Amino acid sequence: QSALTQPASVSGSPGQSITISCTGTISDIGSYNFVSWYQQHPGKAPKLMIFNVNNRPSGVSDRFSGSKSGYTASLSISGLQADDEADYYCTSYTSTTTNYVLGTGTKVTVL
Amino acid sequence: QLQLQESGPGLVKPSETLSLTCTVSDDSIRSNIYSWAWIRQPPGKGLEWIGHIYYTGSTYYNPSLKSRVTMSVDTSRNQFSLQLTSVTAADTAVYFCARRDGSSVSLDYWGQGTLVTVSS
Repeated sequence: QSALTQPASVSGSPGQSITISCTGTISDIGSYNFVSWYQQHPGKAPKLMIFNVNNRPSGVSDRFSGSKSGYTASLSISGLQADDEADYYCTSYTSTTTNYVLGTGTKVTVL
Repeated sequence: QLQLQESGPGLVKPSETLSLTCTVSDDSIRSNIYSWAWIRQPPGKGLEWIGHIYYTGSTYYNPSLKSRVTMSVDTSRNQFSLQLTSVTAADTAVYFCARRDGSSVSLDYWGQGTLVTVSS
């Protein structure tokens, strides 16, 4: 099973905007809009932040937004805050036999 | 608010079988909208999807673990379970259970996770 590719780390200063990429293939991101993003603070369970490419669950700040172009999905965080410092993972449905694929994870650091 | 809770031994000996159960706080386990997933995270590493199961018993497993994994569901107890055979130190991880929403293919509710250490 090939994982979705994410940058290992992204950083930004408070108040700035950052974008995390998630690159897949024609079998997953390239063909389906079932991309989700998760935030994980140390020692905690992941939390769903974005589903279906660009939808936010109730309670998630509108500073978080998602998009997709071709084989790459992106998570953007605007007005960066100290609490945004965490690991972020993307996931997607895949037409391969596994049915589901995870990203490699990105550590976001607030400088 | 839906809750999921993992339970099982925190220590398993090498070559033995790891067994975990996830208890779901409502009867959504019987819905065909959802499937029920296991994900693990070795210390200091990223998430690894293990697999997921529907209430019908239909399963999807990570190919790298497929030969050692069995998932099952008990709708009468609102529980689903994971068995991983022939464990090694590489299977030491925090194991999470989660609900997978079929309409969005997203993991919308997660358990808190349970650390399983493989050691003699």
